Amino acid sequence: QVQLQESGPGLVKPSETLSLTCSVSGGSISNYYWSWIRQPPGKGLEWIGYISYSGSSNYNPSLKSRVTMSLDTSKKQFSLKLTSVTAADTAVYYCARKFGDFDATSHYYSYMDVWGKGTTVAVSS
Amino acid sequence: SYELTQPPSVSVSPGQTASITCFGDKLGNKYASWYQQKPGQSPVLLIFQDKKRPPGIPERFSGSNSGDTATLTISGTQAMDEADYYCQAWDSSVVFGGGTKLTVL
Repeated sequence: QVQLQESGPGLVKPSETLSLTCSVSGGSISNYYWSWIRQPPGKGLEWIGYISYSGSSNYNPSLKSRVTMSLDTSKKQFSLKLTSVTAADTAVYYCARKFGDFDATSHYYSYMDVWGKGTTVAVSS
Repeated sequence: SYELTQPPSVSVSPGQTASITCFGDKLGNKYASWYQQKPGQSPVLLIFQDKKRPPGIPERFSGSNSGDTATLTISGTQAMDEADYYCQAWDSSVVFGGGTKLTVL
């Protein structure tokens, strides 16, 4: 059973860089896409982006200028860096495994089937 | 950018059927997924590819998708089903709906 575990600082100062890591256990990091999703207090889910096992990435356009994701297959970890943070970046950050494929009619589908427990990050001086 | 719209809240009596809708332009031409999130917990995948359930998800959860609307239906709703529910689709990127709080009363 694949399990994901987020780790990183719980407090980041404004204008600094938020850095989180997700460790994958119980399964392979290859052949999947690995996502970051966040949830501000009392609000809904916001997709941040994903990185593939081959290293290609896709980011939310609203965050793209500040986001970088990377993947270390040897450590079975993937990471998120979010620069120039503000209080609006305060949230629970989840890592998740994203599955995607094409159906018989070449229609693409995608969903997150495994989620980490989430880690709370507060942006404050 | 593509948007998915859900009602903020839905109420249902125990044992009754709850329907949670998700609206998006031509959503029926895409695949919808649904997630359940209980307070303090991470989301759980309930439905993928419109109507498929992952192993371990009770049969009372079902999904449909046609036209502009995807629907999550919970038959015989139980108190334990009280949670936030999110729809999600793919439109060159992952898109989530705003979430619906289901109250069982």
